Amino acid sequence: DQQVKQNSPSLSVQEGRISILNCDYTNSMFDYFLWYKKYPAEGPTFLISISSIKDKNEDGRFTVFLNKSAKHLSLHIVPSQPGDSAVYFCAASKSGYALNFGKGTSLLVTP
Amino acid sequence: DAGVIQSPRHEVTEMGQEVTLRCKPISGHNSLFWYRQTMMRGLELLIYFNNNVPIDDSGMPEDRFSAKMPNASFSTLKIQPSEPRDSAVYFCASTQSHEQYFGPGTRLTVT
Repeated sequence: DQQVKQNSPSLSVQEGRISILNCDYTNSMFDYFLWYKKYPAEGPTFLISISSIKDKNEDGRFTVFLNKSAKHLSLHIVPSQPGDSAVYFCAASKSGYALNFGKGTSLLVTP
Repeated sequence: DAGVIQSPRHEVTEMGQEVTLRCKPISGHNSLFWYRQTMMRGLELLIYFNNNVPIDDSGMPEDRFSAKMPNASFSTLKIQPSEPRDSAVYFCASTQSHEQYFGPGTRLTVT
């Protein structure tokens, strides 16, 4: 069963605007959440993470928000750039063990 | 550091043949993970090791799959005999905390 879900397979955003990628999870035991970015023919690259004791973490243009009561997290990219075009995976783990991945959202940032 | 190294990058084999995928984790990382990515199932965990010891192999599809980690700098994933449904991209990842670092993957095609 899919414990981490990304319900939007794709998203298209204009350059300079905000990109919002969403992720839902079902397991309340997850205590660490991560976002990965993947280009074709490459492995996923770690982007940003958040612990369950926080509700927001920011790193430059990237911010991750966690809503534990809703079991929902989101990744905001502001401003979006064409180089951000990639597949974004949401992942969650319990106690630092294996990651459970969503199926990914393909982001296209158009000039 | 060169990052996680995987070989081969591409493998094409005939059904029934043995396939061995190799991984060299990042030096100093004490956990190693094998994932498989398919269109249908996304990224799924096959097995992970902590300090060279297999911790959870519940994701290994069946007895045709086996994995070893003889030392801290090398792991193998073997499929014997291979079947067309094993065609996928296989990723190795390593970590010493929460953030896993992925190799470039091995694209396996079984004809």
